[in-house]
Amino acid sequence: GAGVSQSPRYKVAKRGQDVALRCDPISGHVSLFWYQQALGQGPEFLTYFQNEAQLDKSGLPSDRFFAERPEGSVSTLKIQRTQQEDSAVYLCASSPLQGLLNYGYTFGSGTRLTVV
Amino acid sequence: DAKTTQPTSMDCAEGRAANLPCNHSTISGNEYVYWYRQIHSQGPQYIIHGLKNNETNEMASLIITEDRKSSTLILPHATLRDTAVYYCIVIRKQGGSEKLVFGKGMKLTVNP
Repeated sequence: GAGVSQSPRYKVAKRGQDVALRCDPISGHVSLFWYQQALGQGPEFLTYFQNEAQLDKSGLPSDRFFAERPEGSVSTLKIQRTQQEDSAVYLCASSPLQGLLNYGYTFGSGTRLTVV
Repeated sequence: DAKTTQPTSMDCAEGRAANLPCNHSTISGNEYVYWYRQIHSQGPQYIIHGLKNNETNEMASLIITEDRKSSTLILPHATLRDTAVYYCIVIRKQGGSEKLVFGKGMKLTVNP
């Protein structure tokens, strides 16, 4: 596709429920990032993939958060036993491997997760 | 990576130039200045970046001071669609795995 696609666009989950958020990066993009954006704040880094390898997961807030990219394209961010503090917009970004060198990363529009 | 300081908000009249300042007094010699913006309900959008020299593209111009401790993003003819949160980010390139550290950014409101 022309851009980074994220689904669902909105998700309401009951506290304790597991959720899965999907990211379809631009075809051929090697690098994929997940960010979390709380209301009124800037996005915060969660994790980074280079192809199927998760090279950095230092930003994942707890072991309830898990991300995968098994075939090096589509990625899924899973949150187990959701809590109210998980309510945020989850953003996905992708780029060619040397993307930041030239023109930065392309972000999707995000998934707004609300935990009730 | 160096931290940045931006005003919380700024207003600009439609059609006028918008000059968005950013301080990065602790920037290192190998760190770049990047600007992104985020329009309501969208993901961040790359605008421009630079190291030492001033840069211009179809969206904006970036002016970096000679000592590199501050920079200004210039939108030459602001439109209502430029209303957004603008983020100034300083980062060292690492070959594609760079983590962007956004901060709170600056809200630009373009008024008719």
